[in-house]
Amino acid sequence: AQTVTQSQPEMSVQEAETVTLSCTYDTSESDYYLFWYKQPPSRQMILVIRQEAYKQQNATENRFSVNFQKAAKSFSLKISDSQLGDAAMYFCAYRSAWSGNTPLVFGKGTRLSVIA
Amino acid sequence: GAVVSQHPSWVICKSGTSVKIECRSLDFQATTMFWYRQFPKQSLMLMATSNEGSKATYEQGVEKDKFLINHASLTLSTLTVTSAHPEDSSFYICSARVPGLAGGPGDTQYFGPGTRLTVL
Repeated sequence: AQTVTQSQPEMSVQEAETVTLSCTYDTSESDYYLFWYKQPPSRQMILVIRQEAYKQQNATENRFSVNFQKAAKSFSLKISDSQLGDAAMYFCAYRSAWSGNTPLVFGKGTRLSVIA
Repeated sequence: GAVVSQHPSWVICKSGTSVKIECRSLDFQATTMFWYRQFPKQSLMLMATSNEGSKATYEQGVEKDKFLINHASLTLSTLTVTSAHPEDSSFYICSARVPGLAGGPGDTQYFGPGTRLTVL
């Protein structure tokens, strides 16, 4: 079974600075998807960014980018120019590409605080 | 992105009663929906996978007679907590997968806003 590990339960960053959240995963599959979801205090899960395993290019969405290292099974999220609204719980997630019924496998999350 | 709604957002009920939570995909048809439960300051725990027109697949340890899931249409799945007890109090979240070709947006799950259930 696949597992996702987020080794940083909590992180903090100064407003306008850059922070990197770590995520590693374990799988024997070669084709899969990786995601970062954000859960603010409202508890609505929001998709931040996704990465297809077959793509070597790292995904980028505005201030959010990932460092995807397939061989190392690492998928870190970098947030640039941090804003107060970035304060949230961040979950790394894995999904097999083999079946549409396969659910996401989540890490335990990293709570990010943004300091003004 | 795709929109998933959930209703109600908050419900309080007495012990022994049943509560139904609705999950709708508003702008797409979802053949597969997922139900999660989340305890405070914890990650999401998958309860079951719901497929339109067929029985739900429950995760190990989840009582299927207690948590009834019905996916009667391509845009609606319901979770009914039967004979609710205080230990069922939790935050319940549904999620729907956007269908599509492999490698496209169809491999992404979108989430409803969640339902906070409090059983007195």
